[in-house]
Amino acid sequence: RKEVEQDPGPFNVPEGATVAFNCTYSNSASQSFFWYRQDCRKEPKLLMSVYSSGNEDGRFTAQLNRASQYISLLIRDSKLSDSATYLCVVNKAGRRALTFGSGTRLQVQP
Amino acid sequence: GAVVSQHPSRVICKSGTSVKIECRSLDFQATTMFWYRQFPKQSLMLMATSNEGSKATYEQGVEKDKFLINHASLTLSTLTVTSAHPEDSSFYICSAVRDRGPDTEAFFGQGTRLTVV
Repeated sequence: RKEVEQDPGPFNVPEGATVAFNCTYSNSASQSFFWYRQDCRKEPKLLMSVYSSGNEDGRFTAQLNRASQYISLLIRDSKLSDSATYLCVVNKAGRRALTFGSGTRLQVQP
Repeated sequence: GAVVSQHPSRVICKSGTSVKIECRSLDFQATTMFWYRQFPKQSLMLMATSNEGSKATYEQGVEKDKFLINHASLTLSTLTVTSAHPEDSSFYICSAVRDRGPDTEAFFGQGTRLTVV
């Protein structure tokens, strides 16, 4: 079983749509959770950290369910510029290194 | 601006030659840096942890004699791919973690696209 699993997509949605991505992780000792965004052939960039209480940053909402080892990202009012691959990222338990999911590709269409 | 700088961004080399990739943290000291590799349409995979002043720690399956890591200062780590072969062609990315109290954030270099011909 992969340490971090994501639906690879692609998710093709029209502008203005709401889209949700899910992710599960296998190591219950993981402490830090993130969503990163990666554009084609570029380095990943932090989108947001994910906290147990849930957190929101503008159109983006992240949720963490530790009991189910499940992380989600909700994007509201999708923009063309949101087209990218979204990476679910978890720290390796007891370490500062990160484990990346394979990413979910989002294509927002006009 | 970038807080982690990686160089070169792209390199093409002949099979059998060695390639050195540099990773610098620009405005903070990083005692630990990480090297990842990403093959097309796959996730980033951790190769090794670079520790300032000591030996790197390699992930299972990564050959330490092939991927030489040197972390001689608090702001610079280098990865040398020795005797490169076409199967080493990949996107190599370094990362440094900056601690900010209870929060940490990983910053990534721009990545190096290596093509071995």
